[in-house]
Amino acid sequence: GAGVSQTPSNKVTEKGKYVELRCDPISGHTALYWYRQSLGQGPEFLIYFQGTGAADDSGLPNDRFFAVRPEGSVSTLKIQRTERGDSAVYLCASSSGSSYNEQFFGPGTRLTVL
Amino acid sequence: DQQVKQNSPSLSVQEGRISILNCDYTNSMFDYFLWYKKYPAEGPTFLISISSIKDKNEDGRFTVFLNKSAKHLSLHIVPSQPGDSAVYFCAASGSLSGTASKLTFGTGTRLQVTL
Repeated sequence: GAGVSQTPSNKVTEKGKYVELRCDPISGHTALYWYRQSLGQGPEFLIYFQGTGAADDSGLPNDRFFAVRPEGSVSTLKIQRTERGDSAVYLCASSSGSSYNEQFFGPGTRLTVL
Repeated sequence: DQQVKQNSPSLSVQEGRISILNCDYTNSMFDYFLWYKKYPAEGPTFLISISSIKDKNEDGRFTVFLNKSAKHLSLHIVPSQPGDSAVYFCAASGSLSGTASKLTFGTGTRLQVTL
């Protein structure tokens, strides 16, 4: 079956612009996660959805970052007034939603803020 | 504060030999541990996991060992193959009330398997 997909695969934007990153989870997965990976680091948690609601958004760095999952499937990560420090690979993962279940990752969106 | 640590940034092993990748954690609330493998320009791929009620889990060439008292886990790959060359991430979670939760990752170990 289809895995987690993310679009676009690459996004180059200018400082101060607004960007949207999209994630399509595995069909039937109720839990969806966003992570951010900077060069030389491991993925860093941003936000987690269980269904339509954000169950944990403790990883969002500031109020410029926002994510939605209106129908409990596709999710969009939105970044306002982008800064050069936002440049990273943004990874999306999904899981069945119960404990002790692995998360399946998409290929990521590489965001570059010039 | 790095709660999951992989102190070896890189490891080189000959084909056919054993690869041992190590991971330490500090948060005693972690009760589920996973290893992911990552190739360039791809997302992490799940390899193997272990819950805190076990001290060993094996899947083919991959075995994960957990030492809770030392807050240490290791991934053994035997025999190592050239296709195993990738970055390996250790990750941990603390599940609450039977629901999923976020993963905390280490910084990764780059494994190179040489011919």
